[in-house]
Amino acid sequence: SAVISQKPSRDICQRGTSLTIQCQVDSQVTMMFWYRQQPGQSLTLIATANQGSEATYESGFVIDKFPISRPNLTFSTLTVSNMSPEDSSIYLCSVEDLPGAGNTIYFGEGSWLTVV
Amino acid sequence: RKEVEQDPGPFNVPEGATVAFNCTYSNSASQSFFWYRQDCRKEPKLLMSVYSSGNEDGRFTAQLNRASQYISLLIRDSKLSDSATYLCVVNPRTGGFKTIFGAGTRLFVKA
Repeated sequence: SAVISQKPSRDICQRGTSLTIQCQVDSQVTMMFWYRQQPGQSLTLIATANQGSEATYESGFVIDKFPISRPNLTFSTLTVSNMSPEDSSIYLCSVEDLPGAGNTIYFGEGSWLTVV
Repeated sequence: RKEVEQDPGPFNVPEGATVAFNCTYSNSASQSFFWYRQDCRKEPKLLMSVYSSGNEDGRFTAQLNRASQYISLLIRDSKLSDSATYLCVVNPRTGGFKTIFGAGTRLFVKA
């Protein structure tokens, strides 16, 4: 399985500011995703990070709030813009095995974000 | 109806007990099924895949029932270290497929 590194691992931010989370994978992967998990909740898919094109956002998430970059097959960033306390959450980068390998999803260790 | 539904629990069991979780899914075309484990303030980690024939890994057994559209996870001889949230995960693998995570079942194993 791929090794996924995220940074920062945690941060405390002032409301109104923006934070960019980086995700680095040790091998080239086709599918990269960004999830959010708010306290006590399950995972919610924010978007699929597409290499060389705009990310595909899920309902309720927009590019202005969560801009995503995917410059190559091993790296992606997620920015949480104009943060409010409601954005306090863990943000998880994930990759998916090749379809023939069962579509298993692997996660980075997550970025814990607290907005004050 | 939610795409993937789990009993949130919590399940409180003594060490050594056997505990079972079920998870139902709504998309009959779903192809891939998994159980993930998530410890407090940690990322989810793959516990096991669920195959049509069922599979076993030590104290853990996973089963798939396509007719009734549910998967199950059985934990035998529970350990304190099994305390965690167990996430049911379903991947439709159809066009534009998207992996769906259940909300998780919380397990507490007590001495």
